[in-house]
Amino acid sequence: GENVGLHLPTLSVQEGDNSIINCAYSNSASDYFIWYKQESGKGPQFIIDIRSNMDKRQGQRVTVLLNKTVKHLSLQIAATQPGDSAVYFCAENIHEGSGNTGKLIFGQGTTLQVKP
Amino acid sequence: DTGVSQDPRHKITKRGQNVTFRCDPISEHNRLYWYRQTLGQGPEFLTYFQNEAQLEKSRLLSDRFSAERPKGSFSTLEIQRTEQGDSAMYLCASSRMAPSGGRTAFFGQGTRLTVV
Repeated sequence: GENVGLHLPTLSVQEGDNSIINCAYSNSASDYFIWYKQESGKGPQFIIDIRSNMDKRQGQRVTVLLNKTVKHLSLQIAATQPGDSAVYFCAENIHEGSGNTGKLIFGQGTTLQVKP
Repeated sequence: DTGVSQDPRHKITKRGQNVTFRCDPISEHNRLYWYRQTLGQGPEFLTYFQNEAQLEKSRLLSDRFSAERPKGSFSTLEIQRTEQGDSAMYLCASSRMAPSGGRTAFFGQGTRLTVV
């Protein structure tokens, strides 16, 4: 099948360990951020989001941290499972003069490989 | 299935032919987006609609590309006189305002175009 992870940074972890995936964004006007998971041959799947007025948000087994000072996002996955293997993208929504368009700018992506 | 639906999933066409893709968004979402994704890259924004109005087009959307959303529901993306460089995954997304205040985009499974 298609490998959307070709040439992307790779994080390899042991099943059951915690994973941390990092992302740098460039635009200080970005006010909303989303993490997506993309499996081979499929579209991006929403994982978790965070507004710029927050620095941490937790979901089920996932936590997103936002550091606006250094324009950095991270996604933490607890007790990583083989089914978590995929490419992970961060996406930023830039607040424009016309308001929140929902248009996203995606980061490079990181391939997560979980070893059983 | 109440997610974003795209058709076809795969399309192989000869250079110079025209192709058309269809996207059915989540029914209560008023905004619809088209993105293009090449191997090893994150999705890149092409255009978006609010209801039937096309509000923004990226510089990536050459004159050979046209998108419509005639009744504010489904959308079509047509590529005329296809070129090998058009080979990519074409992703559709629709969005709603999230409880957090951002606009969350949900993606379809994409249409994989191969131009030979």
